[in-house]
Amino acid sequence: GAGVSQSPSNKVTEKGKDVELRCDPISGHTALYWYRQSLGQGLEFLIYFQGNSAPDKSGLPSDRFSAERTGGSVSTLTIQRTQQEDSAVYLCASSFGRGGYTFGSGTRLTVV
Amino acid sequence: QQQVKQSPQSLIVQKGGISIINCAYENTAFDYFPWYQQFPGKGPALLIAIRPDVSEKKEGRFTISFNKSAKQFSLHIMDSQPGDSATYFCAASTDSWGKLQFGAGTQVVVTP
Repeated sequence: GAGVSQSPSNKVTEKGKDVELRCDPISGHTALYWYRQSLGQGLEFLIYFQGNSAPDKSGLPSDRFSAERTGGSVSTLTIQRTQQEDSAVYLCASSFGRGGYTFGSGTRLTVV
Repeated sequence: QQQVKQSPQSLIVQKGGISIINCAYENTAFDYFPWYQQFPGKGPALLIAIRPDVSEKKEGRFTISFNKSAKQFSLHIMDSQPGDSATYFCAASTDSWGKLQFGAGTQVVVTP
């Protein structure tokens, strides 16, 4: 597609359940990033992929968070045993090079 | 701690006026400084970017001013329009594939 696609756009889950968030980057973009945006806050870096490897996972807040990327394309962010503090908008971006980030519209996660 | 500090948190400007948003950083290794614009329910979109070898960059009504010695940079929106009402984020990165450090954001409201 023409842009970065994220699904679902909205997810409501019960505390303690696992969730998977999907990101489909722009074709040909080798770099993929996950960020988290809490209500009225800035963007918090989570993880960066170059191809299928993740040279920087420093932003993952706990071991309940994990991510993978397959075929140098689609990425999945998994949150296990969700907590209320995980409620946020999860944004994915892809890039072909320095600074050329294109963001998706995000997945709004609500943990109840 | 936040590596890029952004102010003000919010800004109201009349149509036709000038909006000014400021950012400051400490890490002298930063060498790429983009600004992003975000509308409600959408991901941030790259607006304009600058590297430290220039002091100013202009694209249409948007201008970045960069002061390397003061470690500050700012966004000026000239002739502000109601359609410019959005949240603006400054950011900075150090490495080739640009994990971006974002400011906290400025909500700009342009009144008719």
